[in-house]
Amino acid sequence: GDSVTQMEGPVTLSEEAFLTINCTYTATGYPSLFWYVQYPGEGLQLLLKATKADDKGSNKGFEATYRKETTSFHLEKGSVQVSDSAVYFCARANSGGYQKVTFGTGTKLQVIP
Amino acid sequence: DTGVSQNPRHKITKRGQNVTFRCDPISEHNRLYWYRQTLGQGPEFLTYFQNEAQLEKSRLLSDRFSAERPKGSFSTLEIQRTEQGDSAMYLCASKGTSGGETQYFGPGTRLLVL
Repeated sequence: GDSVTQMEGPVTLSEEAFLTINCTYTATGYPSLFWYVQYPGEGLQLLLKATKADDKGSNKGFEATYRKETTSFHLEKGSVQVSDSAVYFCARANSGGYQKVTFGTGTKLQVIP
Repeated sequence: DTGVSQNPRHKITKRGQNVTFRCDPISEHNRLYWYRQTLGQGPEFLTYFQNEAQLEKSRLLSDRFSAERPKGSFSTLEIQRTEQGDSAMYLCASKGTSGGETQYFGPGTRLLVL
């Protein structure tokens, strides 16, 4: 079935460090790919998305590129801030059918000053 | 605010009691989803509505769970005879027919069964 695998956390970085959170997905169909973020005590927010191969999603300095050949959608940011501390979820949704979202288990990021 | 809203935000109940949660989607969205998120895990799909029709149910949705969307607007999720294993965050999301495949999530209802 559909699945998403992302690197386990927690990830602890110093402010201004480079961030990579790895994510791979099952290649069933032609999925859209997402990164959602969950700040402490809050709900899920869409961070960025990509709907087809080679698309790059970007928002708030975060980027991820839809790589069909490696079935990957790694999240990157060049310089993290303390305010980026949150749990990040990689997710996929089929473009047809009911389009339910399948999530990874989440990666907790802690940025220290 | 025109986002997805959920009520209550928190619910504590005793084992064996029934609970009901409500979700109000973004007003023009005809698709509504329920998910469950347990501690340290990503959300898992429970059920899906298109307008008032419930079109898909996950195997996670046991007979004790029932969801409705009677007028194609708000939705309710009821859990009967709650068990401690039902303790989780219950998330609702909605999506329109345009705007690609993005689902917009509500803040969730956190359930604790004692």
